[in-house]
Amino acid sequence: DGGITQSPKYLFRKEGQNVTLSCEQNLNHDAMYWYRQDPGQGLRLIYYSQIVNDFQKGDIAEGYSVSREKKESFPLTVTSAQKNPTAFYLCASSIDGTGEQNIQYFGAGTRLSVL
Amino acid sequence: DAKTTQPPSMDCAEGRAANLPCNHSTISGNEYVYWYRQIHSQGPQYIIHGLKNNETNEMASLIITEDRKSSTLILPHATLRDTAVYYCIVSHDSGYSTLTFGKGTMLLVSP
Repeated sequence: DGGITQSPKYLFRKEGQNVTLSCEQNLNHDAMYWYRQDPGQGLRLIYYSQIVNDFQKGDIAEGYSVSREKKESFPLTVTSAQKNPTAFYLCASSIDGTGEQNIQYFGAGTRLSVL
Repeated sequence: DAKTTQPPSMDCAEGRAANLPCNHSTISGNEYVYWYRQIHSQGPQYIIHGLKNNETNEMASLIITEDRKSSTLILPHATLRDTAVYYCIVSHDSGYSTLTFGKGTMLLVSP
């Protein structure tokens, strides 16, 4: 099936630990995105990538890092510098992020909790 | 990107039409109106988008006022599975653009 796969579905982080959330897409989309959602809130953009080997900070990039070495993959690392990482993390992709090609398709999300 | 205003919640009886309003009074001429929905604990799902004309697809209809300052998403025959948070977003069509998701409207469809 074509789509976006996020793993794991649930993740637990210990104090001072870095954790990496996986996002893979087989839609041949150039653009990929990471969002964070807190309970009862909308989505906030963490990082986005328009093309391989390029990415830009979103509204809340502090404490997070990403890489885009392959078109299909856009992993997000939640570092120990992120003091409040408990949230629902969503990955999305779009054809190229411009005009009507900006329709974004989302994965099922990863729920991260702190132990 | 222009800001949108939506009611925090709405109710609808199953089988009836659900009409979800959105105000975007500062929208500019090259900005699209997008609608997404998010069922509890799932990723958002694209529904429909439009620029000036009304649009219809298999999921919904989008009515945009002539001055483009507001729009209405119509689910013609709401079902229990349409219970979700609905997001109205405006995004310009020139060059690269990200989407800004507000808090949306929580639509509760009841039997």
